[in-house]
This record gives sequence, structure tokens and C-alpha cells, in this order.
Amino acid sequence: GNSVTQMEGPVTLSEEAFLTINCTYTATGYPSLFWYVQYPGEGLQLLLKATKADDKGSNKGFEATYRKETTSFHLEKGSVQVSDSAVYFCALRGDDKIIFGKGTRLHILP
Amino acid sequence: GAGVSQSPSNKVTEKGKDVELRCDPISGHTALYWYRQSLGQGLEFLIYFQGNSAPDKSGLPSDRFSAERTGGSVSTLTIQRTQQEDSAVYLCASSLGMPSSYNEQFFGPGTRLTVL
Repeated sequence: GNSVTQMEGPVTLSEEAFLTINCTYTATGYPSLFWYVQYPGEGLQLLLKATKADDKGSNKGFEATYRKETTSFHLEKGSVQVSDSAVYFCALRGDDKIIFGKGTRLHILP
Repeated sequence: GAGVSQSPSNKVTEKGKDVELRCDPISGHTALYWYRQSLGQGLEFLIYFQGNSAPDKSGLPSDRFSAERTGGSVSTLTIQRTQQEDSAVYLCASSLGMPSSYNEQFFGPGTRLTVL
């Protein structure tokens, strides 16, 4: 079946550091891939998505590229801010339901 | 318009009791999902409703869990004879649900269930 594996947290970085959160997936066919974010005290919300191979999703300075050859969708940001502290979930949609990874908690220190 | 709403926001119950959790999706959204978010376990898919089709119940962890969706709108997740391991945040999401293309899921704030 479909599954998503993402790096375990917590990840702690200093402000302005480069961020990578790894995500790999297993799926039949050609799934759509997503990153969701959950800020402290808030609900889950979509951060970015990519629907086919080599697509790059981007939002709020975050980027992720759909790599079919490595079955990966790593999340990157060039310079993180304290306000980026949150839990990040990688997810895929194969049929009609979305399968989520376990989440990676990110702490950004000022 | 209003987003996805869930009630109650917090529920504390005793082991062995039944609980009902409610989800009001965004008006017009035909797809509705329930997830469970446990500490250290991420989001676990429970059940999915799409229009009038039979629900996908493949994620329900046991027969103590059931869900209904009345009139294609409001959904109720019922947990019978609750156990301590049922303690988690239960999230509901809805989307336009057209299976031929991606439609963003919008999540509710969740119901935090604590089983004593």
C-alpha cells in the first residue's frame, strides 16, 4: 500500500539557517504529493503541493520538488525564521484519500 | 464562509464509556475525512465519505469505531467502550471531493479526547 516516511524530529535550527526535511514515499501509480503545516495552537493547513514528476511546489519561501526517480519530496527553505516553528507533515494522495507521514517538529531559535 | 467545525473541542471520559464526536464540513464539500493524531504517531487515516458512495472504512482501528454522515453533510464519529489508547486528537477534513482532480482538504480544529 501507499506510505510516506519523513525524517524524525525534532529539528532545531538557528534563525536564517538552511532547512531540509526529508520525505520519501511508496505508491503505485502517480500520486500527488503535499506538505502540510501545523502551527502551534492552529489547525493543519496545506503548505504546498506537486501533482506530477519534476513539478516544484512553493509557498512562503518553502520549496519541494517531486522526484519520481528517488521517490522523494524533500522540503527546503533557504533561510528559516522563528515564525516557521511548527510541525510539518509530508503526504501523498493516490486514490481519494491522503496518507500522511508522522510529522516533523521544527524549532527555530532566535 | 465558515470553515470546518468540530465539537466538542475537548472531551474527557471514563474508560468504558461511549463518546460521539461531531464534524460540520464546509458547505458544498462532498468529501469528508476523519483522522486521528496521536502523540508521536502523526496523522492516522480513519474513514472517508464521498457523496453517496459507500464509505472507505479501511482505517478504522477496531469495531468499537464507527462513523455516519447524515444527508451528505454532518458526520459523527462514535467510539464505543473507550480505552485509554483511544486518547488522541480527532481531526475532520472536507474537500470538494471530485476524484478526477485534486481538491484541497480543509481541516477542522480537532477534538481532543482524553480517556481516563
